[in-house]
Amino acid sequence: GDSVTQMEGPVTLSEEACLTINCTYTATGYPSLFWYVQYPGEGLQLLLKATKADDKGSNKGFEATYRKETTSFHLEKGSVQVSDSAVYFCALTPDTNTPLVFGKGTRLSVIA
Amino acid sequence: DVKVTQSSRYLVKRTGEKVFLECVQDMDHENMFWYRQDPGLGLRLIYFSYDVKMKEKGDIPEGYSVSREKKERFSLILESASTNQTSMYLCASSFEAGSYNEQFFGPGTRLTVL
Repeated sequence: GDSVTQMEGPVTLSEEACLTINCTYTATGYPSLFWYVQYPGEGLQLLLKATKADDKGSNKGFEATYRKETTSFHLEKGSVQVSDSAVYFCALTPDTNTPLVFGKGTRLSVIA
Repeated sequence: DVKVTQSSRYLVKRTGEKVFLECVQDMDHENMFWYRQDPGLGLRLIYFSYDVKMKEKGDIPEGYSVSREKKERFSLILESASTNQTSMYLCASSFEAGSYNEQFFGPGTRLTVL
């Protein structure tokens, strides 16, 4: 079945460091790919998405590129802030009528 | 602003009790979802609904049921709570049929079953 594998955390970085959270997927066809973020004490919210190969999603300084050849959708940010501390979830949906499949989440802690 | 609200942030129940978790969305969304979130396991889909009175099983429906009598409200029911149902429960909704559309999540209900 369809699945998402993302790097295990926790990830701890100093403020202004570069961030990469790896995400790879297994799916038939051409899935849409998403990154969701969960700040402490809150529900998840959509961070960015890409719906076809080579698309780049971006938001709040984060970006991720849909790489079909490597079945990957890695999340990157050039300079993290303390306020980026959260749990990040990679997700996919294989078609318009199928619910999202989530990865296990990666906890990021950014220290000043 | 889209709002998905859940009836309780924290809930403590005893083994064998019947438990109702309520979720309400104010955006006239067609789709609603219930997930549980556990450390190391991420989010797992319990049930979802694409329309009033319609429900579909997710990946882990055992021990749960749902009710959607009105479009804005989606209830998760634990018929006889057990300790292995201690978890964080997240409700979500999305606009049209199909998950290409953004899902909006509630803040979650942390349920403890003693």
